[in-house]
Amino acid sequence: GAVVSQHPSRVICKSGTSVKIECRSLDFQATTMFWYRQFPKQSLMLMATSNEGSKATYEQGVEKDKFLINHASLTLSTLTVTSAHPEDSSFYICSAYGTSLGEQFFGPGTRLTVL
Amino acid sequence: GESVGLHLPTLSVQEGDNSIINCAYSNSASDYFIWYKQESGKGPQFIIDIRSNMDKRQGQRVTVLLNKTVKHLSLQIAATQPGDSAVYFCAEKVNSGYSTLTFGKGTMLLVSP
Repeated sequence: GAVVSQHPSRVICKSGTSVKIECRSLDFQATTMFWYRQFPKQSLMLMATSNEGSKATYEQGVEKDKFLINHASLTLSTLTVTSAHPEDSSFYICSAYGTSLGEQFFGPGTRLTVL
Repeated sequence: GESVGLHLPTLSVQEGDNSIINCAYSNSASDYFIWYKQESGKGPQFIIDIRSNMDKRQGQRVTVLLNKTVKHLSLQIAATQPGDSAVYFCAEKVNSGYSTLTFGKGTMLLVSP
């Protein structure tokens, strides 16, 4: 089946630093990747949609200068949390949409803790 | 029984019982619905989907029912097992192709042996 990986699975960083999270589709090409954020005991909230080779589309209330998204290839998208603060601590989940597969597949998530 | 926590409703059942998890969706234009299972610390896992031209779809031990009149979706799990313990989310989208998913609030299912 279609597999999506994320790296790292967990990251702890100091306030003010930047953190990069990678999302890879391992066995299919993903024209579109989605980034979600999930706080404890809450649902997944879509942050942004990225299409390969173009700028990401951010949801209302998500700062594009703080959450930098790069979708450089059909198998890789990265989310960089710039100048992270404790309130950015969350579970970040990506999903990849494969045109040939016709559905989204989710990654295992990245737990970010900002001290 | 079912209780509503601070953020996440919880359904507690005994092993072997049938479980029913409910979801109210918001967009009357949505025509594709998916149920996901999320275990602690992991990403969502696809369980079953249904298109709006259907009102019932069955999988292995799971059944999804769709009532478009009242915008309600349910997931029935037969013979619930401890391994079914997880948070279950419904998600909706406007078409089954590329479009964004909107997730419901989620229900935590706790299965006691």
